[in-house]
Amino acid sequence: QVQLQQWGAGLLKPSETLSLTCDVHGGSFSGYYWNWIRQAPGKGLEWLAEIDYSGAINYNPSLKSRLAISLDTSRSQISLKLSSVTAADTAVYYCSRAGPATPYYMEVWGGGTTVAVSS
Amino acid sequence: DIQMTQSPSSVSAYVGDRVTISCRASQGISSWLAWYQQKPGEAPKLLIYTASSLQSGVPSRFSGSGSGTDFILTISGLQPEDVATYYCQQAKSFPLTFGGGTKVEIK
Repeated sequence: QVQLQQWGAGLLKPSETLSLTCDVHGGSFSGYYWNWIRQAPGKGLEWLAEIDYSGAINYNPSLKSRLAISLDTSRSQISLKLSSVTAADTAVYYCSRAGPATPYYMEVWGGGTTVAVSS
Repeated sequence: DIQMTQSPSSVSAYVGDRVTISCRASQGISSWLAWYQQKPGEAPKLLIYTASSLQSGVPSRFSGSGSGTDFILTISGLQPEDVATYYCQQAKSFPLTFGGGTKVEIK
């Protein structure tokens, strides 16, 4: 049973870079699609980025200029960086896995990392 | 971007009632739709994919229907553990987008 364990800095100042990592336990990368999704306090879900097992990437155009997603199969990790953060980036960030039978549907989720941006 | 609109934003029903939640896409998405359940303080959980396929382990009282632009999630026989917020998500094109959510409560 695959498990996703997230970690990263929880408190940032405006203009800093958010850096999050998702450790994949008990599963392979082959055939799967790895996503980051966030949820601002009291708000709905916002999809941020996806990287697949081959390294192909899709970003949300609204954040594309500030986002970077990467995959390290040797360490079984997926990472997300969001540069130049503001208070609007305060949210719970989730990593998730989709596919292979159900690409683009998030079948496994990490527990979430709460990120607050404040001066 | 494809906009997803859910209604109602909240619904209150008795245990055992049938509850329906609607989701409308701003353009046709065939059957590229999922439903998620999110309980307070937890990550979302996939319930339904490709509009009507039940995810493994999800109780059969949950069902999905629809295609094109209009979709419905039905809970047949509401249970106390179904108290949650439900989201639809389109998987037709990037960026993937979610509906605003429907909060389900017990009367």
